[in-house]
Amino acid sequence: SQQGEEDPQALSIQEGENATMNCSYKTSINNLQWYRQNSGRGLVHLILIRSNEREKHSGRLRVTLDTSKKSSSLLITASRAADTASYFCADDGGSNYKLTFGKGTLLTVNP
Amino acid sequence: NAGVTQTPKFQVLKTGQSMTLQCAQDMNHNSMYWYRQDPGMGLRLIYYSASEGTTDKGEVPNGYNVSRLNKREFSLRLESAAPSQTSVYFCASSPAQGLNSPLHFGNGTRLTVT
Repeated sequence: SQQGEEDPQALSIQEGENATMNCSYKTSINNLQWYRQNSGRGLVHLILIRSNEREKHSGRLRVTLDTSKKSSSLLITASRAADTASYFCADDGGSNYKLTFGKGTLLTVNP
Repeated sequence: NAGVTQTPKFQVLKTGQSMTLQCAQDMNHNSMYWYRQDPGMGLRLIYYSASEGTTDKGEVPNGYNVSRLNKREFSLRLESAAPSQTSVYFCASSPAQGLNSPLHFGNGTRLTVT
């Protein structure tokens, strides 16, 4: 079954606004990761949150994890046009090697 | 620091042709991975190598073979290309065995099979 489904599939906001993306997964995890992909490029790691953590921050990024609901959210505050990209969550499904990616959220930040 | 380097960047094949996608990392990482990315499908794991000398199947291994040539290099081979293998292929590496550290991705190989 598909792990790490993001919601929404696409999000369009104005510069300065906050952007929230959600992710759901189906089985227990050791950790969950968020990645960013600019058009035509490879994925870049943003944040890793472990199953015993509830919240993690990195600059303008805030990730939460709710293992009881099997969900995570990524919040980007004070968005910039340069944040325009696709964002993916990925979970390990409890394994050591198989990181499973969702289909991503395409974020467009309008100047 | 080059990170993960994939070659070629673009390739067009005819059905039935073979080719090898090359991947090399200069970060002394133990684990390496091959993913394919298709529109609306996200990334799907083809094969991975937890450490030098080992390889294992991922979610979609059919039609592919891999070789972990040494710690730096992990190649993906298509023996007889099919149009269904048209995709963008990403190689990734991670420092430790297991997934407690992030993956580092190359910029992809865009493959079209006609």
